Amino acid sequence: GIQVEQSPPDLILQEGANSTLRCNFSDSVNNLQWFHQNPWGQLINLFYIPSGTKQNGRLSATTVATERYSLLYISSSQTTDSGVYFCAVERAGGTSYGKLTFGQGTILTVHP
Amino acid sequence: NAGVTQTPKFRVLKTGQSMTLLCAQDMNHEYMYWYRQDPGMGLRLIHYSVGEGTTAKGEVPDGYNVSRLKKQNFLLGLESAAPSQTSVYFCASSVRGSAGEQYFGPGTRLTVT
Repeated sequence: GIQVEQSPPDLILQEGANSTLRCNFSDSVNNLQWFHQNPWGQLINLFYIPSGTKQNGRLSATTVATERYSLLYISSSQTTDSGVYFCAVERAGGTSYGKLTFGQGTILTVHP
Repeated sequence: NAGVTQTPKFRVLKTGQSMTLLCAQDMNHEYMYWYRQDPGMGLRLIHYSVGEGTTAKGEVPDGYNVSRLKKQNFLLGLESAAPSQTSVYFCASSVRGSAGEQYFGPGTRLTVT
């Protein structure tokens, strides 16, 4: 199956700092999503981004499909950004049913 | 609009007992999914459905069964629970499979003793 590697595994920031999270994947994809799991366990979809660049407030994401990686940028971080960030992909060339493979996640802690 | 809801939120089972987890969505989504999340790991796909009356196996289907009798509901069954099935179970739905976002329920925390 497809391999998904996220880095760094852990990240500690002071409020107001910027950060970049990376997701590498081992095969072509037709679906890539970034999720935030808050400290209460809820998973929130941040971006659906199989290619290109998107922005939503302080968050933006870029996927370079030809080079098999995606980046999630968090600017001016806030304590509410704390939690685990997951990248999830579906390998291209098979069925297009949204069968996602998740990375191990990046644990982000933002201190006030 | 409640989105994706899961019942129950918590459950403790003894080894060998059975139970059913219910997932409901009110967004008229065709695709539904069951995942499990173990400590320190990402989610793994158990089973999925591409429409009412259909089900298919995901990455880790052993020990689980599913049914999708109504479009809005997706049930996950454990016929004979094992300690290895202690996990947090998440349901998700999507309107367009690979071509759209997945929306997740709040999760069910299951402990098998």
